[in-house]
Amino acid sequence: QKEVEQDPGPLSVPEGAIVSLNCTYSNSAFQYFMWYRQYSRKGPELLMYTYSSGNKEDGRFTAQVDKSSKYISLFIRDSQPSDSATYLCAMSERNTDKLIFGTGTRLQVFP
Amino acid sequence: DAGITQSPRHKVTETGTPVTLRCHQTENHRYMYWYRQDPGHGLRLIHYSYGVKDTDKGEVSDGYSVSRSKTEDFLLTLESATSSQTSVYFCATPGRGNNEQFFGPGTRLTVL
Repeated sequence: QKEVEQDPGPLSVPEGAIVSLNCTYSNSAFQYFMWYRQYSRKGPELLMYTYSSGNKEDGRFTAQVDKSSKYISLFIRDSQPSDSATYLCAMSERNTDKLIFGTGTRLQVFP
Repeated sequence: DAGITQSPRHKVTETGTPVTLRCHQTENHRYMYWYRQDPGHGLRLIHYSYGVKDTDKGEVSDGYSVSRSKTEDFLLTLESATSSQTSVYFCATPGRGNNEQFFGPGTRLTVL
């Protein structure tokens, strides 16, 4: 079983929809949680970064961490065709810089 | 833009040949990382460096070696490339937050 599980999709939604992307993990020592967005044939770009549990909002994006359930989510409001990309979750323990990535979920937002 | 460039951006080579990929950073980071990305596996750490001449293995280091003779350059070498090393290779450097990393544009390597 992988340390981090992520549904590969593809997830196809109409423009304007609310998108929910999720990852589950097994290592209770994870403290830092990140979401990366990766456009086709590009490098991953950091989208959201959270420490421990709770919510963080940035524009149309909200990251949520539930450590009791070992579950993290990324919500995208008013989704746009430009949001079409692969979204990768990543996490790490305190006192290490080793990131463990999910396999990524491919999102398609159609006009 | 994290100030990371990678070269070459694309390479096709044959089994058994040596290959070196270069990562160059302009922000004087002490740490640098090499990852590979494959379908169904996500990003996996190959090697990392915590200073000039200081390197360590990651999750999938077999068949790869690295060198760091200058702060700005981190080289990844496949001594004898195999088809299983066909992948997209990304270099990364730290961000401002704990455990944040920023990635370069990637090198697409095909081993025939």
